[in-house]
Amino acid sequence: AQSVTQLGSHVSVSEGALVLLRCNYSSSVPPYLFWYVQYPNQGLQLLLKYTSAATLVKGINGFEAEFKKSETSFHLTKPSAHMSDAAEYFCAVSSNYGGATNKLIFGTGTLLAVQP
Amino acid sequence: GAVVSQHPSWVICKSGTSVKIECRSLDFQATTMFWYRQFPKQSLMLMATSNEGSKATYEQGVEKDKFLINHASLTLSTLTVTSAHPEDSSFYICSARSAPGQGKDSPLHFGNGTRLTVT
Repeated sequence: AQSVTQLGSHVSVSEGALVLLRCNYSSSVPPYLFWYVQYPNQGLQLLLKYTSAATLVKGINGFEAEFKKSETSFHLTKPSAHMSDAAEYFCAVSSNYGGATNKLIFGTGTLLAVQP
Repeated sequence: GAVVSQHPSWVICKSGTSVKIECRSLDFQATTMFWYRQFPKQSLMLMATSNEGSKATYEQGVEKDKFLINHASLTLSTLTVTSAHPEDSSFYICSARSAPGQGKDSPLHFGNGTRLTVT
């Protein structure tokens, strides 16, 4: 079975400060990892994904994440927070089946607040 | 980019009635779609995997007879909440993969969700 754990259900930063959202995964096989963002009453938008290529992955809106196998982590960072980054962020891992029916398992989410 | 459209975006219904939610892939074909349920301030819980032309695969603990899924075409999956009760009130989100082959590394594209309130 695969799972992800997001440490910190709420994170608050000041505008312009570093954003760090933590995600640790558990997987018996090499995982595929994703970060999604959700704005209120909307679906999820993909920020970035790790699929066993480069360990440092760059995504949209200035976000990036680094896959660290030794730490089983895939933390999301952004050098300088913007007010528009306020949203809920979900880390997710793919199950280890192949093909179109492969399921995505989500963490519990981290609500990011950005203070002016 | 790949677009998944979900309708309606919100619905209020009376207890005991049924509600149908549609999920459409607008610019790609999806043999598989996924239905998630999200409670307030919680994560997305996978309910079922919708397979075009065959029966849906339900996750453990999800009632098949209560949450009817039909995937009649490569661009449309529907979720019907039958005999709805207030505890069914939730945010329901569908998703599908768009990449050729739709393998495990291709991202899911999500609909904007449906807010169901059962009174």
